[in-house]
Amino acid sequence: DVKVTQSSRYLVKRTGEKVFLECVQDMDHENMFWYRQDPGLGLRLIYFSYDVKMKEKGDIPEGYSVSREKKERFSLILESASTNQTSMYLCAVESSSNYGYTFGSGTRLTVV
Amino acid sequence: KNQVEQSPQSLIILEGKNCTLQCNYTVSPFSNLRWYKQDTGRGPVSLTIMTFSENTKSNGRYTATLDADTKQSSLHITASQLSDSASYICVVSNAGNMLTFGGGTRLMVKP
Repeated sequence: DVKVTQSSRYLVKRTGEKVFLECVQDMDHENMFWYRQDPGLGLRLIYFSYDVKMKEKGDIPEGYSVSREKKERFSLILESASTNQTSMYLCAVESSSNYGYTFGSGTRLTVV
Repeated sequence: KNQVEQSPQSLIILEGKNCTLQCNYTVSPFSNLRWYKQDTGRGPVSLTIMTFSENTKSNGRYTATLDADTKQSSLHITASQLSDSASYICVVSNAGNMLTFGGGTRLMVKP
């Protein structure tokens, strides 16, 4: 099974800061996803990527961008963090076989 | 519109008891249904995944059922343990591999 690593468990940033959330997989899967999870709203898709340098907007892309320079790494970028981006951020990797869909441990981001 | 509804929203049971969580969906065309367990502050971890042709699948004390005709799934937990306290999320995938997430059921197992 693929291992999905998110670089930080907890992060506190100030309003207006540029924030990078990193996600790394230990295999060679093409499909990677970024979600945010908020109480009462469940998981919502921000961006996803089907290959290197390829990105697609999800349901709530506003205020976010992504970068996929290498296949194993998918970064979520908050260009100018705002308090309404305080949330749990989850990265996921989809394997091409057996419908596998593996999440990272999550990054809880607080913007103050 | 694709939707996944889970019930109950929250549940409290005593250690050792059994419980059943429900998931109803309207996703079409259906591809597969997954149950995840999410401990507080952690990412979801896969428990089971079922395709159209499967109507039951077990993973230890967890047993998932799927009725593709009525578009319902259940997750049965047997002989609950304190470590079962978590949120359980039902996720349905359509034929285009787009996932629709349920809102989750928060389970608390008390000693």
